[in-house]
Amino acid sequence: AQSVTQLGSHVSVSEGALVLLRCNYSSSVPPYLFWYVQYPNQGLQLLLKYTSAATLVKGINGFEAEFKKSETSFHLTKPSAHMSDAAEYFCAVRAPDTDKLIFGTGTRLQVFP
Amino acid sequence: KAGVTQTPRYLIKTRGQQVTLSCSPISGHRSVSWYQQTPGQGLQFLFEYFSETQRNKGNFPGRFSGRQFSNSRSEMNVSTLELGDSALYLCASSLGTSGGGDEQFFGPGTRLTVL
Repeated sequence: AQSVTQLGSHVSVSEGALVLLRCNYSSSVPPYLFWYVQYPNQGLQLLLKYTSAATLVKGINGFEAEFKKSETSFHLTKPSAHMSDAAEYFCAVRAPDTDKLIFGTGTRLQVFP
Repeated sequence: KAGVTQTPRYLIKTRGQQVTLSCSPISGHRSVSWYQQTPGQGLQFLFEYFSETQRNKGNFPGRFSGRQFSNSRSEMNVSTLELGDSALYLCASSLGTSGGGDEQFFGPGTRLTVL
């Protein structure tokens, strides 16, 4: 069965610092992995997705994630945090042959000036 | 291209009532999925519809039901509302092609409060 685990429900960084949000997955088949961002009172917006084409995936707003099969990880990074990055971030894995997304519990990112 | 729209955006109901939420997918998208988001349980999958057929279902009681129309618009119904049904209900649409790599586009959600 597919599942994802996000380590750290809250992450705080200073503006300009590296952002690292952790996600580990469990999947019985090659996974499709996604990172979504949610701003207050809004729906989810796709940051990036892994669909086996390349292990380093670049997304919007300067975010990227690296798929590491040996570590079953798909951590999200951004070299330099901006105040506007403050939001909640969700890692998700898609169940095979469906559109069902299985989400992690989310990580709230705070960015301090 | 217009995004996913959900109506209403906010809803207040009392226990025992029923409610219907509506979702209009992006034009051309045939798959619509529904999710419930609560602080305690996070984001949980309710069901997915593709071409008017329920293709997948999550672990929710039968009080939660849905349907999809020929124009791909979808409705979700919750009967006999309970306090625990208070949540943000999110709808997502995608092309629905097989393989699982399609991007799901989410609507802004309907915030349901049960009193």
